[in-house]
Amino acid sequence: AQSVTQPDIHITVSEGASLELRCNYSYGATPYLFWYVQSPGQGLQLLLKYFSGDTLVQGIKGFEAEFKRSQSSFNLRKPSVHWSDAAEYFCAARAGGSQGNLIFGKGTKLSVKP
Amino acid sequence: NAGVTQTPKFRILKIGQSMTLQCAQDMNHNYMYWYRQDPGMGLKLIYYSVGAGITDKGEVPNGYNVSRSTTEDFPLRLELAAPSQTSVYFCASSTQGLSDTQYFGPGTRLTVL
Repeated sequence: AQSVTQPDIHITVSEGASLELRCNYSYGATPYLFWYVQSPGQGLQLLLKYFSGDTLVQGIKGFEAEFKRSQSSFNLRKPSVHWSDAAEYFCAARAGGSQGNLIFGKGTKLSVKP
Repeated sequence: NAGVTQTPKFRILKIGQSMTLQCAQDMNHNYMYWYRQDPGMGLKLIYYSVGAGITDKGEVPNGYNVSRSTTEDFPLRLELAAPSQTSVYFCASSTQGLSDTQYFGPGTRLTVL
């Protein structure tokens, strides 16, 4: 079955430190991949997406993600975390070339220490 | 441009009551979606619509109904509320299909007691 796994439920980093949030997918072929951020009490906002081409994708707010086919991963990174990045982050995927549903991971909550 | 709006923000229902969650978008998007988010879980698609008059089931449609009479509005109806429907409900819209960027509303927190 198609699935998206985010292994880390909660991560705490110090402000200014680098960040990597992990995402693994299980699909028959390379899916379309997305990262969303949800601030407390808010809806989700798209950070970036990958369909094809360059495997390093740049997004908003200084985030980037790298698609690695061999590892079935699409990890989100940021070189220097700001306190305002504290939020919940969701990886999502859907099968390419069809009307398949978006499947979301369970999310990773990011806390930022001053 | 308000984007995607949802009302109400919060609601408490008794078992067996019914209610309609409202969703509207002013971006002229063809596609609209309803998701539910349970604690510690990702979002699950309830229903979606590809245009006025056209709706289809998502992953978890049981206990819900939708209609899409206009491009702007996509209400979600709960006919007989059950405790299992306690959740946060998000409406979203996009220009094209499910690969397109989805714009989310702020959510409705529903509790069924």
